Amino acid sequence: DTAVSQTPKYLVTQMGNDKSIKCEQNLGHDTMYWYKQDSKKFLKIMFSYNNKELIINETVPNRFSPKSPDKAHLNLHINSLELGDSAVYFCASSQVVGSYEQYFGPGTRLTVT
Amino acid sequence: DAKTTQPTSMDCAEGRAANLPCNHSTISGNEYVYWYRQIHSQGPQYIIHGLKNNETNEMASLIITEDRKSSTLILPHATLRDTAVYYCIVRVSQGTYKYIFGTGTRLKVLA
Repeated sequence: DTAVSQTPKYLVTQMGNDKSIKCEQNLGHDTMYWYKQDSKKFLKIMFSYNNKELIINETVPNRFSPKSPDKAHLNLHINSLELGDSAVYFCASSQVVGSYEQYFGPGTRLTVT
Repeated sequence: DAKTTQPTSMDCAEGRAANLPCNHSTISGNEYVYWYRQIHSQGPQYIIHGLKNNETNEMASLIITEDRKSSTLILPHATLRDTAVYYCIVRVSQGTYKYIFGTGTRLKVLA
């Protein structure tokens, strides 16, 4: 009965590859987010979707493309991976758009070699 | 965007109350105090939030001073599983901020 789930938990890949991370929430929330957590533990918002519509795109390279097939899912596809993309990526959801009462997934640790 | 100040680390004995302070002296009238925690290698976990009244839920209590310039998160009976980094952040209830979380307080619950 996990509220927000992400797969895979770990992802190791080489530069130049394309990879996807999947996220699903069963909380019935309307809004979902992708965050990137760097080595200093700062959590930076990347994207936010509300009812399958993109509402925040925080100057993320267009190699990153989120896709929301329905409001319970928000996947992140990354093209042409670079070393600097190595980080932990978190998916989150909230009942109301922009709310800071957010529920996070367990994270995906991406390592680009 | 009100900044927050928290101690870098704290220890607490298992079974005792853990009191985590946060200073937010520049908080605006419409900004809430939110608390999150992050257990090692897990996703951040929402704990509680409040505007000016004290709040309590199944996880913790939040005490906000009358002038709203500081607050305390109370875990009434800390367990080893409460060992985590606790983040106090100040935000309007709905909005867009580029970053959330800062350095936080590393709470270690001791057996």
